[in-house]
Amino acid sequence: ETGVTQSPTHLIKTRGQQVTLRCSSQSGHNTVSWYQQALGQGPQFIFQYYREEENGRGNFPPRFSGLQFPNYSSELNVNALELDDSALYLCASSPAGKGLYEQYFGPGTRLTVT
Amino acid sequence: GQQLNQSPQSMFIQEGEDVSMNCTSSSIFNTWLWYKQEPGEGPVLLIALYKAGELTSNGRLTAQFGITRKDSFLNISASIPSDVGIYFCAGQLLWGGGADGLTFGKGTHLIIQP
Repeated sequence: ETGVTQSPTHLIKTRGQQVTLRCSSQSGHNTVSWYQQALGQGPQFIFQYYREEENGRGNFPPRFSGLQFPNYSSELNVNALELDDSALYLCASSPAGKGLYEQYFGPGTRLTVT
Repeated sequence: GQQLNQSPQSMFIQEGEDVSMNCTSSSIFNTWLWYKQEPGEGPVLLIALYKAGELTSNGRLTAQFGITRKDSFLNISASIPSDVGIYFCAGQLLWGGGADGLTFGKGTHLIIQP
């Protein structure tokens, strides 16, 4: 069984640019969530996708947006990058049913904004 | 936003010692999860708890869902070098319906001294 995978592993962008991060869910999982983890902190919930629609969002501005595809893979897009967007971005997938709250994380994408 | 108070922030222990850490909140959670994160990796799910009072073990790890639904603890017995890492508690709010994502604590950094 393949776990959650993310690409790229590392990324360096300049302030004001746009970035797209990608995630492939664990086999059999239909819900994807994205988190931002700043250095020394716990992950912060960005949003969640189920059946290709956003069904929950944390306290992040609209320049953070996402997509979920029919194969349950997902993208996180961030526009107008700011220095504070530098963080580890984590994707997590979860199965339907009781396991909805059991979220399984990928290795993350380390984004550095200069 | 919601916060989880996780303590202690860090622990320096000898190999073979038992470890105990906990999480508290002012809000009621319907799910408590414990994760471990190592450098350069995403969080790995250790234990999931769904019922108040539930006590669950996973090898040398034992976690409990507090009766008040506002706290949880994790114990590690007979620590070994590979237990080193950052342990996070995470909770799903009672009324969140799963779409609010997980709320994470700030982590407990476990360091094992030779």
